[in-house]
Amino acid sequence: ELKVEQNPLFLSMQEGKNYTIYCNYSTTSDRLYWYRQDPGKSLESLFVLLSNGAVKQEGRLMASLDTKARLSTLHITAAVHDLSATYFCAVDSSLGNEKLTFGTGTRLTIIP
Amino acid sequence: GAVVSQHPSWVICKSGTSVKIECRSLDFQATTMFWYRQFPKQSLMLMATSNEGSKATYEQGVEKDKFLINHASLTLSTLTVTSAHPEDSSFYICSARSFNEQFFGPGTRLTVL
Repeated sequence: ELKVEQNPLFLSMQEGKNYTIYCNYSTTSDRLYWYRQDPGKSLESLFVLLSNGAVKQEGRLMASLDTKARLSTLHITAAVHDLSATYFCAVDSSLGNEKLTFGTGTRLTIIP
Repeated sequence: GAVVSQHPSWVICKSGTSVKIECRSLDFQATTMFWYRQFPKQSLMLMATSNEGSKATYEQGVEKDKFLINHASLTLSTLTVTSAHPEDSSFYICSARSFNEQFFGPGTRLTVL
């Protein structure tokens, strides 16, 4: 059974600081996704990582994937208040059934 | 990106009634759609995989007779919560896959009184 863990679960950080959220998964997979969720809203797709060593950046967020370590990171650079949200990673089971297993989520609060 | 819609956005119903939620892929066809449930402050849990033209595949622990799924066309899947009870109150989200990405609907918040 595929398990996906995120760390930390809660993160409070000051504006301007950098931080990294970690996503570990238990079985082989070549596809990992990062999503953002605002309170009361559905998921917004941030990144799709499809191969080992993949790195993608959008604004102050950068995501990477190491399939050998079964680890993905979401790095936040010079955080701003607008980035406050819950961030989820999700892993494709790679069994051909397109099912995603979600991590526990990281609730990020950026303090002015 | 591709767009997935859900209807209704929120629904309040009495205990014992049935509620139908629709999920539509607006600009693409989806042979497979997924239904998730999310309780407050928790992650998304996959309930079932909806397959166009065939029976849905349910995750372990999800009652197929309580959560009826119908995928009658390539752009529409429905989830019916039968005989809803307060413990069924949750945020229900559907998704559909286009190329290498899953696109999520806006969600339906169900409150059962």
